[in-house]
Amino acid sequence: RKEVEQDPGPFNVPEGATVAFNCTYSNSASQSFFWYRQDCRKEPKLLMSVYSSGNEDGRFTAQLNRASQYISLLIRDSKLSDSATYLCAATTGNQFYFGTGTSLTVIP
Amino acid sequence: NAGVTQTPKFRVLKTGQSMTLLCAQDMNHEYMYWYRQDPGMGLRLIHYSVGEGTTAKGEVPDGYNVSRLKKQNFLLGLESAAPSQTSVYFCASRRAGTGMGEQYFGPGTRLTVT
Repeated sequence: RKEVEQDPGPFNVPEGATVAFNCTYSNSASQSFFWYRQDCRKEPKLLMSVYSSGNEDGRFTAQLNRASQYISLLIRDSKLSDSATYLCAATTGNQFYFGTGTSLTVIP
Repeated sequence: NAGVTQTPKFRVLKTGQSMTLLCAQDMNHEYMYWYRQDPGMGLRLIHYSVGEGTTAKGEVPDGYNVSRLKKQNFLLGLESAAPSQTSVYFCASRRAGTGMGEQYFGPGTRLTVT
């Protein structure tokens, strides 16, 4: 079983829509959690860390549910520029484990 | 700061040839990682290092070797390339310790083995 699993999508949404991505992790000892954004043929870049109490950065909200071992990312008022692949990541010890990524396309 | 850089950006190898990928970081990070990314497989850890002179195996280490002779550099070697090693290779670095923040990635090396 993969350490981190996420729905690959693709998600195709109209501009202005709200879209949510979920990610589950299998190791209850995982300590830190992140969402990365990866544009086509580019490296992953940090979108936001995920804190236990949940956190928000503009149109983006991240949540962590340790009891159910999942993290989520909510994007409100989607923009064309949000089109990308979103990767979730969990750390266990010194290692990062990444999901396979969820593809998002925002349609005009 | 350049962050994390990778050399080369692209390479085509014939089966059986060898090569070394170089990763360099100027952020004084202790930890460095090599991943490969394939369609539908996500990022898979090949090897990593928690400090100069130390390396450890990740999820898919077979066919690769690494060395960390200097803190700022992490080398990934392919001794005898195989078509199955066609992939995009990313290097990443981060500060030491748990809860110490995210990984920073290099721009990637696109390797094709024919």
